Amino acid sequence: DTGVSQDPRHKITKRGQNVTFRCDPISEHNRLYWYRQTLGQGPEFLTYFQNEAQLEKSRLLSDRFSAERPKGSFSTLEIQRTEQGDSAMYLCASSQTEAYNEQFFGPGTRLTVL
Amino acid sequence: KNQVEQSPQSLIILEGKNCTLQCNYTVSPFSNLRWYKQDTGRGPVSLTIMTFSENTKSNGRYTATLDADTKQSSLHITASQLSDSASYICVVSPDNNDMRFGAGTRLTVKP
Repeated sequence: DTGVSQDPRHKITKRGQNVTFRCDPISEHNRLYWYRQTLGQGPEFLTYFQNEAQLEKSRLLSDRFSAERPKGSFSTLEIQRTEQGDSAMYLCASSQTEAYNEQFFGPGTRLTVL
Repeated sequence: KNQVEQSPQSLIILEGKNCTLQCNYTVSPFSNLRWYKQDTGRGPVSLTIMTFSENTKSNGRYTATLDADTKQSSLHITASQLSDSASYICVVSPDNNDMRFGAGTRLTVKP
């Protein structure tokens, strides 16, 4: 499968714990995006990378959230001291730098904070 | 207020029937508009993309229309199938790097 992959698909954690998610984009794509989606809503932009550079971060990305893409390939999203409000689907997408910049989404990581 | 509004919020139809989903937007400037299909527990998958100069685009049983003057788009599904049950998300981009998502319409197709 040459699409965007995410790991894990599901994560259940206790409030206050740290969690880390991984995203592997489509190999030739140089842009990588993270989104958060809650039930019944569309995805909300969190941050994006062009190669290894993090170019934009949403105000939704509090100090407890950090994302990296160290070699311009896979990316990780870490949430420290999780809160119940962090429970959501975390989606990753990738794209090439071209006209219309179509983003291809991964299957998401469903986070539940107890 | 969301810059991309979709209606209805949810819809139930019988298998084989047609339906039309609406998207109104205030995003400006305008680069392109996409419709995505999102199955439960999965990431969105692109169905169509339209630029300013296009007013209709088809993908199998899915036909999207765009009126850039009134800032309205619709997604028409013909001869619905059970597998069409999903959320349909309208996404408007003011430029090549920014995507504004609607909340989606939840479609349920019943046998």
